[in-house]
Amino acid sequence: NAGVTQTPKFRVLKTGQSMTLLCAQDMNHEYMYWYRQDPGMGLRLIHYSVGEGTTAKGEVPDGYNVSRLKKQNFLLGLESAAPSQTSVYFCASSLASGRAVSYEQYFGPGTRLTVT
Amino acid sequence: QKEVEQDPGPLSVPEGAIVSLNCTYSNSAFQYFMWYRQYSRKGPELLMYTYSSGNKEDGRFTAQVDKSSKYISLFIRDSQPSDSATYLCAFDTGGFKTIFGAGTRLFVKA
Repeated sequence: NAGVTQTPKFRVLKTGQSMTLLCAQDMNHEYMYWYRQDPGMGLRLIHYSVGEGTTAKGEVPDGYNVSRLKKQNFLLGLESAAPSQTSVYFCASSLASGRAVSYEQYFGPGTRLTVT
Repeated sequence: QKEVEQDPGPLSVPEGAIVSLNCTYSNSAFQYFMWYRQYSRKGPELLMYTYSSGNKEDGRFTAQVDKSSKYISLFIRDSQPSDSATYLCAFDTGGFKTIFGAGTRLFVKA
């Protein structure tokens, strides 16, 4: 049981380049999330998904796109990278809602992205 | 006013000390109150959660919620160097989105 995995772990991009971050979970969770974490800002929600084939915008969605074609995978795309997107990106997943313990989010190890 | 306020620290204490970490919040709709722990270069992991005012204990950790003051705390007794991490408070309205505090960095010196 690997939990939540993220690919790649590190990446350096030049301004204007594109890339896709891959998140995979093997816990059969319905909900998946993409966050970015910046010093002093905490975790900010970029996009999330409440099920296969559905996505929704979070707090800071501009410059990012997502897709959830399979329940276990959640992709985050940067179409034209900007230095402001330098950050640590975390993917998380959780069970469907209903009880407090279901709100527990399981996080991946993160992807460190630098845009020069 | 930010929805969640958390002192970023860093907080440095000697081994064995009692640590108090705190967050304030403004959204009365928050129903679930959580603390996540994040070690350096790792993802956060849930440490404790509660959905009511009062105290909840788990070993050396106690989570306290005061809904009337919109204030939550995490106490760590007999702190250990292995407790050195960033602690994030987190809040949920009962839906599927969680609001995280910025995190407090804790260093426990041996």
